[in-house]
Amino acid sequence: KAGVTQTPRYLIKTRGQQVTLSCSPISGHRSVSWYQQTPGQGLQFLFEYFSETQRNKGNFPGRFSGRQFSNSRSEMNVSTLELGDSALYLCASSLAGTSDGEQFFGPGTRLTVL
Amino acid sequence: AQTVTQSQPEMSVQEAETVTLSCTYDTSESDYYLFWYKQPPSRQMILVIRQEAYKQQNATENRFSVNFQKAAKSFSLKISDSQLGDAAMYFCAYRRYTTSGSRLTFGEGTQLTVNP
Repeated sequence: KAGVTQTPRYLIKTRGQQVTLSCSPISGHRSVSWYQQTPGQGLQFLFEYFSETQRNKGNFPGRFSGRQFSNSRSEMNVSTLELGDSALYLCASSLAGTSDGEQFFGPGTRLTVL
Repeated sequence: AQTVTQSQPEMSVQEAETVTLSCTYDTSESDYYLFWYKQPPSRQMILVIRQEAYKQQNATENRFSVNFQKAAKSFSLKISDSQLGDAAMYFCAYRRYTTSGSRLTFGEGTQLTVNP
């Protein structure tokens, strides 16, 4: 069974631009969560989607948004990029999004904002 | 809000020796889950071990075991017979019990070096 895939793996953007990252969960998984990893702030939860609905949201500005499609694939969008948005963005999927379920992480997308 | 603290930014161990990574957390919940994740240089997060708070017995996975002290809110990871492949960043994580959500709260991480 294929693991969680994220595209692109690397991305370079300039301030003010917007970016869309994609995450394909493991087949059959309906929950997708997004995390931002930076050296200064560590790993922070962005949001979680389950059955095309945002179920939880972290403490990030409205420039960060996401969505989930009927096939459970998810995208996150960051508008008006700032230098501080440079980070590794990790996506994780789980079967039913319950607290006892295991989350499987993707390899991440490394975003650099210049 | 729940917080997770890892007070050891870096640790090192000799190959074949044992090392213990520390983690403390703060929560007012009584039901929750605790995890240790490993992130090697490839950046792929890998689940090492999990512990359900309602279970008194400490979880064990081969060379990895935990010491879960619920009253003290402490959750340490012991790696026995350390191998070169164990070198990685280790994150302690917390998840509250809920029927609708799988949000993880992570600690700052501990960088483990294994010396040959």
